[in-house]
Amino acid sequence: GIQVEQSPPDLILQEGANSTLRCNFSDSVNNLQWFHQNPWGQLINLFYIPSGTKQNGRLSATTVATERYSLLYISSSQTTDSGVYFCALKRSGNYQLIWGAGTKLIIKP
Amino acid sequence: NAGVTQTPKFRILKIGQSMTLQCTQDMNHNYMYWYRQDPGMGLKLIYYSVGAGITDKGEVPNGYNVSRSTTEDFPLRLELAAPSQTSVYFCASSDEDRGLAEAFFGQGTRLTVV
Repeated sequence: GIQVEQSPPDLILQEGANSTLRCNFSDSVNNLQWFHQNPWGQLINLFYIPSGTKQNGRLSATTVATERYSLLYISSSQTTDSGVYFCALKRSGNYQLIWGAGTKLIIKP
Repeated sequence: NAGVTQTPKFRILKIGQSMTLQCTQDMNHNYMYWYRQDPGMGLKLIYYSVGAGITDKGEVPNGYNVSRSTTEDFPLRLELAAPSQTSVYFCASSDEDRGLAEAFFGQGTRLTVV
């Protein structure tokens, strides 16, 4: 099956710093999403981005489908950005979202 | 704008008990899913449904059952609860018929089996 690798596994930053999270995958996909799981366990949709680039405030994401990776950029980090960031994807005709292991982000004040 | 609503948020079960996790969505999505998330892991698919009356197994279906009598509701039934079913359960929905495959998730149900 398709493999999803996220890096880094853990990231500790000071408030105000920028960060780049990476998601590599082993096969072509038609659906890629980035989620933020906050410390209370809630999954928050960040981006639906099977290809191209999107921006939403301090966050942006880029997926290069032909090279099988996606990047999530967080600028001017705030303590509320802390949590685990997951990428999840699926192939055409497959109903299951395959999840990476996540990047645990801690933003220190 | 409720989206996907799950109840209950927390539950403790004794080994061998049964329960139903409720999930309802108000976005008129045809596709609905149940996932479980074990500590420190991503989510794994338990069951999914592509429309009312149609359900199918995902990656980890053992010990669970589902039904889909309406577009809105997709309950998950646990029979004979076991400690291995201690997990956080998420319900999700998407509207793939219109090519909009973004999945939206409920707030989760934290289940402990003791």
